[in-house]
Formats: sequence, C-alpha cells, structure tokens
Amino acid sequence: GDSVTQMEGPVTLSEEAFLTINCTYTATGYPSLFWYVQYPGEGLQLLLKATKADDKGSNKGFEATYRKETTSFHLEKGSVQVSDSAVYFCALFTGSARQLTFGSGTQLTVLP
Amino acid sequence: GAVVSQHPSRVICKSGTSVKIECRSLDFQATTMFWYRQFPKQSLMLMATSNEGSKATYEQGVEKDKFLINHASLTLSTLTVTSAHPEDSSFYICSARDRGQSTYEQYFGPGTRLTVT
Repeated sequence: GDSVTQMEGPVTLSEEAFLTINCTYTATGYPSLFWYVQYPGEGLQLLLKATKADDKGSNKGFEATYRKETTSFHLEKGSVQVSDSAVYFCALFTGSARQLTFGSGTQLTVLP
Repeated sequence: GAVVSQHPSRVICKSGTSVKIECRSLDFQATTMFWYRQFPKQSLMLMATSNEGSKATYEQGVEKDKFLINHASLTLSTLTVTSAHPEDSSFYICSARDRGQSTYEQYFGPGTRLTVT
C-alpha cells in the first residue's frame, strides 16, 4: 500500500538557520505530493504541493521538489523564523486510493 | 479560500455519554468529507470517509457503531461518539473535498479536542 516516511523529530533550530525535513514515499501509480503544516491547537493547512515529477512546490519561503527517481519530496527553507514553529506533515494522494496518506509528522521548534 | 469549520472546538464529557461534533464547509459544497483522529505527537489516522447522502465508509479497525457519521447535506457532516470512554479522548479533525476542485484538494477544519472524564 501507499506510505510516507518522514524524518523523525523533534527538530530545533535557531532563527535564520537552514531547514530540511526529509520525506520519502512508496506508492502505486503517480501520486500527488503535499506538505501540510499544523500550528499548535489548530487543524492542518496546506503549505505546498506538487502533482508531477520535477515539479517544485513553494510557499512562504518553503520549497519542495517532486523527485520521482528517489521517491522523495524534501521540505526546505533557507532561513527559518520563530513563527515557523509547528508540526509539518508530508502526504501523498493517489487516484486509486482517493485519500491522503500522511507521514508521522515532524515537530519544528525555532528559537530566537 | 475554502473554509471548513468545526464545532465545538473543545468538549469535555463524562464517560458513558455521547457527544456530537459538527463539520461544515462554509463557502463551498463538499461532496466528500473525511474524519481523522490524531493522538498526541502522532500523525492523522483516517477514521472514515463520508459522501453526501450515502453511508460512510469506515477504515479497518474503526467501530462504526461507536463513531456514527452522518453527511446530511453538501455542507455538513457530523461525527457522534457514542458511549464515550476515556480512551476516546483525542483530537478529531475533519476535512472536506470541494466538488468543484481537483480530487486531491482537501480543506481541513481546526479540529475538536475531546476529553472524556
């Protein structure tokens, strides 16, 4: 079945540090890939997405590139802020399953 | 953008009672809604998928008689936790798919924190 493996947290960084959160996936067919962010006490918000190989999703300074050859969708940001502290979920969607499959989430804490 | 609301945001109930959680799509029609459960520091576990006007499809291991889902209209789905027990305490999140959007687009509600005492 479909699965998503995410880098385990928690991750703690200083403000303005570079962020990478690794995400790899297993899926039948050609999935669409997503990163969601969950701020404390809130639901999930879509951060970015990519629907086909080599697509780059970007939003709020975050980027992720759909790499079919390595089945990866790593999240990056060049300079994190305290306000980026949240839990980040990698997810995939396939037409066959017609539902999102989530990774386990990575807690990010950015210190001033 | 598309907004999904949940009510209540927090609820505390006594063991043995039932509690209803509402999920509404505020500015779009949702043919499909999803209910997730999230344990502390863990990922979302899909509980069930509901389509407007039909019975919900439950994931393996989810008790359909305990977690009653009703998708009464294109903007409202409800989850009723019947005869709640402390182990049902969790964060419940709904999401909705806009009938006019791509099949992978889902919009998430803010979640409901259920505490059973």
